[in-house]
Amino acid sequence: QSVLTQPPSVSGAPGQRLTISCTGSSSNIGAGYDVHWYQQLPGAAPKLLIYGNGNRPSGVPDRFSGSKSGTSASLAITGLQAEDEADYYCQSYDSGLSGSWVFGGGTKLTVL
Amino acid sequence: QVQMQESGPGLVKPSETLSLTCTVSGGSISSYYWSWIRQPAGKGLEWIGRIYSSGSTKYNPSLKSRVTMSVDTSKNQFSLKLTSVTAADTAVYYCARGPPGWYNWIDPWGQGTLVTVSS
Repeated sequence: QSVLTQPPSVSGAPGQRLTISCTGSSSNIGAGYDVHWYQQLPGAAPKLLIYGNGNRPSGVPDRFSGSKSGTSASLAITGLQAEDEADYYCQSYDSGLSGSWVFGGGTKLTVL
Repeated sequence: QVQMQESGPGLVKPSETLSLTCTVSGGSISSYYWSWIRQPAGKGLEWIGRIYSSGSTKYNPSLKSRVTMSVDTSKNQFSLKLTSVTAADTAVYYCARGPPGWYNWIDPWGQGTLVTVSS
């Protein structure tokens, strides 16, 4: 059971727009901690996709965007491409217990 | 650009200690925070712990009693020890840089190494 909740899977056709949600609580996202997103292609290590809620590292296409509101965050992908098929994870900090960096359970994106 | 490479035994017996080393290249290990993260097959990511180049550590509360991390700045390496392993510790283990603070991210990541716990 992950501290941050993501839908297990989403799917869309090429060219479509879709979003992936990341729901937390008052001890993590709701406490104001930033949310970051990672893309994990099949057989590869996770790669930073979005940092600080909505910032893209150099080299990440502007088709990817992030936002945060209240106890939730979202990753939006526009102009869906076959190469976007991957697992996506959100990450934040949780101040519960002794504090820990936490991840969402991951969302498998399938391009139809 | 900085790169990390994990190394260590791919097979560990139950109840024994898992030991991994991460070698950092392309940059200095000094003045940065470094983490270990693991991922069981087909499952999500779990942050294990973080160490600063000075040696200060912070561990995931759920693993704290079994985890020890250390750093060797002369070799540009940091290490993970996980004691009393069970099959539930079978996973791909990643080393990565960061996060430096509560609001920060983890980047970049090593390629990962699979550790299987089995007799």
